[in-house]
Amino acid sequence: GAVVSQHPSWVICKSGTSVKIECRSLDFQATTMFWYRQFPKQSLMLMATSNEGSKATYEQGVEKDKFLINHASLTLSTLTVTSAHPEDSSFYICSARRGGGNEQFFGPGTRLTVL
Amino acid sequence: GDSVTQMEGPVTLSEEAFLTINCTYTATGYPSLFWYVQYPGEGLQLLLKATKADDKGSNKGFEATYRKETTSFHLEKGSVQVSDSAVYFCALSDTGYSTLTFGKGTMLLVSP
Repeated sequence: GAVVSQHPSWVICKSGTSVKIECRSLDFQATTMFWYRQFPKQSLMLMATSNEGSKATYEQGVEKDKFLINHASLTLSTLTVTSAHPEDSSFYICSARRGGGNEQFFGPGTRLTVL
Repeated sequence: GDSVTQMEGPVTLSEEAFLTINCTYTATGYPSLFWYVQYPGEGLQLLLKATKADDKGSNKGFEATYRKETTSFHLEKGSVQVSDSAVYFCALSDTGYSTLTFGKGTMLLVSP
């Protein structure tokens, strides 16, 4: 149990376009989902925390208008990178936590390349 | 703020060798400590955890002891296997498990 999927696993897009990444909890209800960004040979940096049905809380330095997060149901959160630029190229990882639980369950990540 | 420092990799070992990956942390209060593993092409999986000083977390032959006096949580395994090749992340969570702070990760490569 506690499986989290992400789609797509990789995406290549042109500069200026928007890209949506989905994060799903497949066998449990996730009241909280987290979005991380990982640069090569760097740690995972938390971008934002989202609770189902409410606005996401963004970490300092993360542009909320650039990285739109929606957590409309207990099994799905989406991250939309708007007007993507090459510097947005990165590995994006989501995690999900059950209501009342402590452990985060991680998705496999999405590799975004902006040309 | 909270931070985690772990040794840089890659760590290259032969099968059956002893493994140590060092991890130290800085935090206020009494954090919980974790080791996550990321196999190629997969998401992070919780390997083990410890929630208070002197606790030892263990799983799949790996173990780590929460040392408050040295603010460390070193990962050890007595005999590594090729299948242990992966990236290992040390992490901490403040009281209440609100967020995780990760180290940079250490790649382990085990050869037959």
